[in-house]
Parts: sequence; C-alpha cells; structure tokens
Amino acid sequence: NAGVTQTPKFQVLKTGQSMTLQCAQDMNHNSMYWYRQDPGMGLRLIYYSASEGTTDKGEVPNGYNVSRLNKREFSLRLESAAPSQTSVYFCATGPRTDTQYFGPGTRLTVL
Amino acid sequence: AQSVTQPDIHITVSEGASLELRCNYSYGATPYLFWYVQSPGQGLQLLLKYFSGDTLVQGIKGFEAEFKRSQSSFNLRKPSVHWSDAAEYFCAVGQVYIFGNEKLTFGTGTRLTIIP
Repeated sequence: NAGVTQTPKFQVLKTGQSMTLQCAQDMNHNSMYWYRQDPGMGLRLIYYSASEGTTDKGEVPNGYNVSRLNKREFSLRLESAAPSQTSVYFCATGPRTDTQYFGPGTRLTVL
Repeated sequence: AQSVTQPDIHITVSEGASLELRCNYSYGATPYLFWYVQSPGQGLQLLLKYFSGDTLVQGIKGFEAEFKRSQSSFNLRKPSVHWSDAAEYFCAVGQVYIFGNEKLTFGTGTRLTIIP
C-alpha cells in the first residue's frame, strides 16, 4: 500500500500561472484534506472533503479550488498563482479528529 | 475558539539527554490531543494521541505525553534522545462541536536539533 501519494514533489510557477496538485490515497478513508505549511504558521487547512462528492472550505481557501474526483483522489487547483501561495502543500486522509495520514508534500515556489 | 501554543520554536539537546516539548491548548471541554513528527522533507507522522482515560500515553519511537487538565497542557517527553529524533514536532488539538462539526488545529511546531 502506498498510503498517500502527491504529485508533483516540486514546482516553480510564475505569477498568474495555473496548476493542479494531485493527491491519491489507498487507505479507504472517506475524508481527505489539503493543508499548507508556512514557517512559523504550522499547518493550516485549505479545503477538505468529508466524502466523495462533497468539499468544504477550511481556514485559508482563497485562491484555491478543489475537486474530489472519487474516493481515492482529491486535487487542489491554483487558478492564478501568487507569490503568497509559495508554500509546502500536504494532502492527508483520515478522520477529522483522529489520526490523519499525510503525503510527502509538494514544495511550490511562485515567482 | 480553540488554539494550540507551542512556546518553543527551536530546542537543542545533546544525544542521550532527556527531552520535553511543551504544548498548551485552550478549549472548554476535554479535547482530543495529538503529537505529530515531521522529518526533513517528509510528511507528518502520528507519534501518539489522547482521547480519554489514562492521562499518560505512550507512543512510537519511545515517546510519551501527559495530559494535565489543570494546566491545559499535553507535553511530549522522551528519556533519552537519539540523533534520528531530529525533526519538527507538532501538537494538535481536535474538538467536536455540539452539532457534530469537527475541527483540528495544529500548533506552529518545535524544531528539535540533536548535538553529538
């Protein structure tokens, strides 16, 4: 079992470009999450999906969109990247208030 | 609103020394409490969690944490650190609201450096 996988691992964008971060899990959990990690800020929730077909905003959703394609896959899209979106992005799965399992992260730089 | 405070941004300890990482939370009811570890370039991994019962919980890699309701704390401890413990450590607090909504809040992390 791969657990939680994320692609790409690294990405550099120019301001205004768009991209989609992919996440897949084979742990059969209903819930999936997208977090961003910034120095001194800890992890902040961008969006989550409690089940296939549902998505909800987290703490910092502005500038992002998500798609829960099926039970396994949850993608995060930046329509027009901004330097403030330079961060490390983590996908996770598991219950909201129990153990969550994290992917290895995507390091995104927006120039 | 719930919050989590990790007062130490960076801690340095010698290999073989004991370790205590602090975590304080603010929340009215009994929270669900977690410690996660993030090794360099990796995602987060659960070390241990507390939901109820015995206030001293054991985790992986020889870590333990103690829930102290009177101090609103959930400090992480290890009696003797190894060089492989160098990582960033995150405390997290989960709560379930009256109408079933749930929330998980992470602290800002403590970076642990081990010196030989």
